Amino acid sequence: DGGITQSPKYLFRKEGQNVTLSCEQNLNHDAMYWYRQDPGQGLRLIYYSQIVNDFQKGDIAEGYSVSREKKESFPLTVTSAQKNPTAFYLCASSIVGAGANVLTFGAGSRLTVL
Amino acid sequence: AQSVSQHNHHVILSEAASLELGCNYSYGGTVNLFWYVQYPGQHLQLLLKYFSGDPLVKGIKGFEAEFIKSKFSFNLRKPSVQWSDTAEYFCAVSPDNNNDMRFGAGTRLTVKP
Repeated sequence: DGGITQSPKYLFRKEGQNVTLSCEQNLNHDAMYWYRQDPGQGLRLIYYSQIVNDFQKGDIAEGYSVSREKKESFPLTVTSAQKNPTAFYLCASSIVGAGANVLTFGAGSRLTVL
Repeated sequence: AQSVSQHNHHVILSEAASLELGCNYSYGGTVNLFWYVQYPGQHLQLLLKYFSGDPLVKGIKGFEAEFIKSKFSFNLRKPSVQWSDTAEYFCAVSPDNNNDMRFGAGTRLTVKP
């Protein structure tokens, strides 16, 4: 089945540690996205990438980093610089092109900082 | 970058009531507009989309939305809601020339049986 796989589903981290969330897709989509979902704030864009080896910052990129070495993979690192990292993180992908960017979402990863 | 405002944070309706959820965006150029829905315990999924043409678009499960360019709005409507429509609804906007997709804060809809 085609889709997006996010792992781990739940993750606990101590303050001061970096953590990497995995996102893999087998939809052959060129564009991939990371969003943070907090109650009452909707989905806020962290980073997105339209092509391999290129990505753009969203509204809340500070304290996060990404890489796009392969078309199917877009890992997100939550660094110790992120002041409030406890959240639900959603990865998505889409075709690139005008009018074509309907997003397919993964199941999400819930990060809790202890 | 574009931004999206959803006016209602939580809407509570009885079954068979009519629904309208507001969505306004700010962006100076041509946009693509979307409504996504997140049912309890499920992935976000597309409800409907507008790219061009008829500003009144129909989606799944009897939902529709109207793009009013002069008001920068894309409100979601359904004439008669069902208990199964209980979910969170998100409006989203992207410029027509790239994939930068921004979402609103979401509206939680509770339908009482």
